[in-house]
Amino acid sequence: KAGVTQTPRYLIKTRGQQVTLSCSPISGHRSVSWYQQTPGQGLQFLFEYFSETQRNKGNFPGRFSGRQFSNSRSEMNVSTLELGDSALYLCASSPAGFKDTQYFGPGTRLTVL
Amino acid sequence: DQQVKQNSPSLSVQEGRISILNCDYTNSMFDYFLWYKKYPAEGPTFLISISSIKDKNEDGRFTVFLNKSAKHLSLHIVPSQPGDSAVYFCAASALSSGSARQLTFGSGTQLTVLP
Repeated sequence: KAGVTQTPRYLIKTRGQQVTLSCSPISGHRSVSWYQQTPGQGLQFLFEYFSETQRNKGNFPGRFSGRQFSNSRSEMNVSTLELGDSALYLCASSPAGFKDTQYFGPGTRLTVL
Repeated sequence: DQQVKQNSPSLSVQEGRISILNCDYTNSMFDYFLWYKKYPAEGPTFLISISSIKDKNEDGRFTVFLNKSAKHLSLHIVPSQPGDSAVYFCAASALSSGSARQLTFGSGTQLTVLP
């Protein structure tokens, strides 16, 4: 089975721009979660989508948004980029249940200049 | 407010010996705990998990111990191998609440296994 894929792997943007990141979960997985990893804050939960609905949300500003499509693929959008948004953005998928293990993709490295 | 803490940023162990990685948590709502391993330029890889109804879970060379009264868990790797060198994250979630799918991670411990 193919793993979680994320595109693009690397991205460079400037302040004020917006960016869209994509995540394709493992086939059959219906839950997709997004995390931000920075050296100072570690891995922080952004949000989780299940069946095209946001089921859970972390403490991030409204500039961070996401969506999930009917095929379970998910996108994350960050508007009005700030320097502090530079991070590794990780996507994780799981089948559906609360005890299901989350499997992570390789991440998208976003650099904001 | 760090709800999951890994107080040792790094640990070096000789090949063949035991590696013990520690993790403390403060949120008493957490009832499901996981360990992930991360290599550079890759996403975290799931290693092992434990539910709060257990105090030990074993999978091959990896054993996780949970001490609920102390709000402490540890990962034991025996025997340690050079390929185990990576950053290890502990994570926790509260299955019993609405935030069941929200993993809270520690800051990670860099394990180096010396040949």
